[in-house]
Amino acid sequence: DVKVTQSSRYLVKRTGEKVFLECVQDMDHENMFWYRQDPGLGLRLIYFSYDVKMKEKGDIPEGYSVSREKKERFSLILESASTNQTSMYLCASVTAYSNQPQHFGDGTRLSIL
Amino acid sequence: QQQVKQSPQSLIVQKGGISIINCAYENTAFDYFPWYQQFPGKGPALLIAIRPDVSEKKEGRFTISFNKSAKQFSLHIMDSQPGDSATYFCAASRSGAGSYQLTFGKGTKLSVIP
Repeated sequence: DVKVTQSSRYLVKRTGEKVFLECVQDMDHENMFWYRQDPGLGLRLIYFSYDVKMKEKGDIPEGYSVSREKKERFSLILESASTNQTSMYLCASVTAYSNQPQHFGDGTRLSIL
Repeated sequence: QQQVKQSPQSLIVQKGGISIINCAYENTAFDYFPWYQQFPGKGPALLIAIRPDVSEKKEGRFTISFNKSAKQFSLHIMDSQPGDSATYFCAASRSGAGSYQLTFGKGTKLSVIP
């Protein structure tokens, strides 16, 4: 089974802090994604990566950046955390070679105080 | 502009009843339509998926119906059980885009009451 592991289930940070969310997948997938999930808004794509060191903006990239130094690891960075970034963050991965379902981690619930 | 519209936002069904969730899409290039199920505290997990060359796909109590001309697809849960209580998301993606980005509906919270 594909396993997507997010390093923290819950995280509390302060306004202005730099925050790192980590995601690791074990299926050698080329594509990785970061979403945020908010009630009534569904899943919104922040950034995705289709290869090491490659990244593309999603629908809501403002205030975020990403890093992919190794194929299995995709990091989401909040450069200067703000209260409106309090949310559930979900990481997903999928192969690049056919239209297959994305596999999700269990999420990181981030609170910015 | 939302490309996948999902309804209803919430649904309450009696145990044993049929749960129906509907989605409509706009982009005719979409060719893969998965449904995800999400329990509290967990990430979304693939439930069932369909491609537009078939009009229906059934897996146990879960059925996807697909209407290409109307650009609509729906999830039917037969004999709904309390354990089916979860949030359901429809999604769509297209081949050839490389990244296979998914466009999600906003979700339906299903509650099955005993």
